[in-house]
Amino acid sequence: SQTIHQWPATLVQPVGSPLSLECTVEGTSNPNLYWYRQAAGRGLQLLFYSVGIGQISSEVPQNLSASRPQDRQFILSSKKLLLSDSGFYLCAWSSGQLVTEAFFGQGTRLTVV
Amino acid sequence: AQSVTQLGSHVSVSEGALVLLRCNYSSSVPPYLFWYVQYPNQGLQLLLKYTSAATLVKGINGFEAEFKKSETSFHLTKPSAHMSDAAEYFCAVSLGHNQGGKLIFGQGTELSVKP
Repeated sequence: SQTIHQWPATLVQPVGSPLSLECTVEGTSNPNLYWYRQAAGRGLQLLFYSVGIGQISSEVPQNLSASRPQDRQFILSSKKLLLSDSGFYLCAWSSGQLVTEAFFGQGTRLTVV
Repeated sequence: AQSVTQLGSHVSVSEGALVLLRCNYSSSVPPYLFWYVQYPNQGLQLLLKYTSAATLVKGINGFEAEFKKSETSFHLTKPSAHMSDAAEYFCAVSLGHNQGGKLIFGQGTELSVKP
């Protein structure tokens, strides 16, 4: 069966520090991968998605970047965090062949102080 | 462009009462629609999905939703609320395979269940 792992679960980082959040998927190949952010009291905002290795689409201008160095690995990064980067970050995957639901990781609570 | 609107950011029901969470969609093509549930500090779990088959879709935990094209709605219902149903619920629409299968979410509805 397919599983998705996302870590760390919580992170407190100072303003100006770098960020690296990692997400890996097991049990499937060539998935679509997504990074969403959920700010307090707001819905889910799609940040990035990827349909293949090295293929990244950015949905909103921001201080973050994403990379997909391997088929089932998706990384969210920042060189210098801002206070406004605080939030709940969710990685997800869906089938690359069918229009189906997305499956979500457990999320990372990022607090920038 | 596809979008979803969830009516009511907070809904409160008594235990045993009917749960009704509203979702309206906008789509230029036949939509694929989803309902997810999120418990505090956790990821999203799929409750049910509509993919152009039966218009009445049954999901987990006793939830169901009915796709009504004429009303562009996909409301989520449960006949009898349980305390464990207290969570946030999201309606979503897929943008389709040629847009990487992206899901666009509504703003969410927080469900409270009173004893």
